[in-house]
Amino acid sequence: KAGVTQTPRYLIKTRGQQVTLSCSPISGHRSVSWYQQTPGQGLQFLFEYFSETQRNKGNFPGRFSGRQFSNSRSEMNVSTLELGDSALYLCASSLGRQSSYEQYFGPGTRLTVT
Amino acid sequence: AQSVTQLGSHVSVSEGALVLLRCNYSSSVPPYLFWYVQYPNQGLQLLLKYTTGATLVKGINGFEAEFKKSETSFHLTKPSAHMSDAAEYFCAASRGGTSYGKLTFGQGTILTVHP
Repeated sequence: KAGVTQTPRYLIKTRGQQVTLSCSPISGHRSVSWYQQTPGQGLQFLFEYFSETQRNKGNFPGRFSGRQFSNSRSEMNVSTLELGDSALYLCASSLGRQSSYEQYFGPGTRLTVT
Repeated sequence: AQSVTQLGSHVSVSEGALVLLRCNYSSSVPPYLFWYVQYPNQGLQLLLKYTTGATLVKGINGFEAEFKKSETSFHLTKPSAHMSDAAEYFCAASRGGTSYGKLTFGQGTILTVHP
């Protein structure tokens, strides 16, 4: 079974621009979660989508948004990029059932904001 | 709010020595607990998980962890370190229910293995 895939793997953007990152979950997985990883703040939860609905949300400004499609693929969007948004963005998928809590991570998208 | 604390941002061991990475959680409700490993320029790989049942959990690559409710701990161990174990390790927790899709991570522990 193919793992979680994220595109693009690397991205360079300019401050003020917006960016869209994509995540394809493991086949059959209905839950997709997004995380931001930085050297200073570590791994922080952004949001989780399940069956096209946002189920959980972290403490990030409204510039960070996401969505999930009917095939469970997910995108996250960051508008008005700031230098501090430079990070590794990880998505993870899970079955979304109470009997299966583990999340499987993709390789991440490395975003650099200049 | 739930929090996860990993004691020691860097741990160094010799090849063949015991690996012990410490993790404590803070929660009024015993959470679901996980250990992940991250190699440079890669995503996170699940090592093992604790949900319910047996408190000693075995994972991949010879790692295991013991859930101790009285100590609110979930320390990761491996009897004999291998050079390939050098990586960063993260302890994570979720509260279960409709919040299980939200993982709270510790700050990570970088494991160095010396020959």
